[in-house]
Amino acid sequence: AQTVTQSQPEMSVQEAETVTLSCTYDTSESDYYLFWYKQPPSRQMILVIRQEAYKQQNATENRFSVNFQKAAKSFSLKISDSQLGDAAMYFCAYRSAQNAGNNRKLIWGLGTSLAVNP
Amino acid sequence: GAVVSQHPSRVICKSGTSVKIECRSLDFQATTMFWYRQFPKKSLMLMATSNEGSKATYEQGVEKDKFLINHASLTLSTLTVTSAHPEDSSFYICSASVIAFTSTDTQYFGPGTRLTVL
Repeated sequence: AQTVTQSQPEMSVQEAETVTLSCTYDTSESDYYLFWYKQPPSRQMILVIRQEAYKQQNATENRFSVNFQKAAKSFSLKISDSQLGDAAMYFCAYRSAQNAGNNRKLIWGLGTSLAVNP
Repeated sequence: GAVVSQHPSRVICKSGTSVKIECRSLDFQATTMFWYRQFPKKSLMLMATSNEGSKATYEQGVEKDKFLINHASLTLSTLTVTSAHPEDSSFYICSASVIAFTSTDTQYFGPGTRLTVL
């Protein structure tokens, strides 16, 4: 069974600085998707970024980028120029690329709480 | 695009009553919707996967007779908590899965429903 591990329960960063959140996963599959979701205090879960495992290029979305290391099964999230609005819980998630049966569900990490200091 | 609504946002009910929560995909058709439960400062716990026009698939340990899920159309799924008890008090979140837009099957989340059972 697949697992997702976020080893940093809490992180903090100064406004305008850069922070990296760690995520590792375990799977025997070769094709899958990886996601970072953000959950601010409003508790609305927001998609931050997604990565297809078959793509070697790291995904980027404005100030958010990932470092995807397939062999190491690592998928870290880098937030550049941190803003106060980035303060939230960040969840890493894995999904199999297979669509049959129960494979479409997300496997979640426990989350990292990010504080942004002014 | 990819907006999911959830209603109500908050509900307080008496023990023994039933509560229905609606999840709607507003600007896309979702073949699959997912229902989660989230405890404070915890990750999401998948309760069930709901496919339009068929019976929901429940995760192990989730009582299907207590948490009734109906997915009658491609834009609406409902979760009914029957004979609610205080231990059912929680934050319930739905998500809708988009396949048509992209090859990556991404879940988009509703804003959640806070259920309090007195």
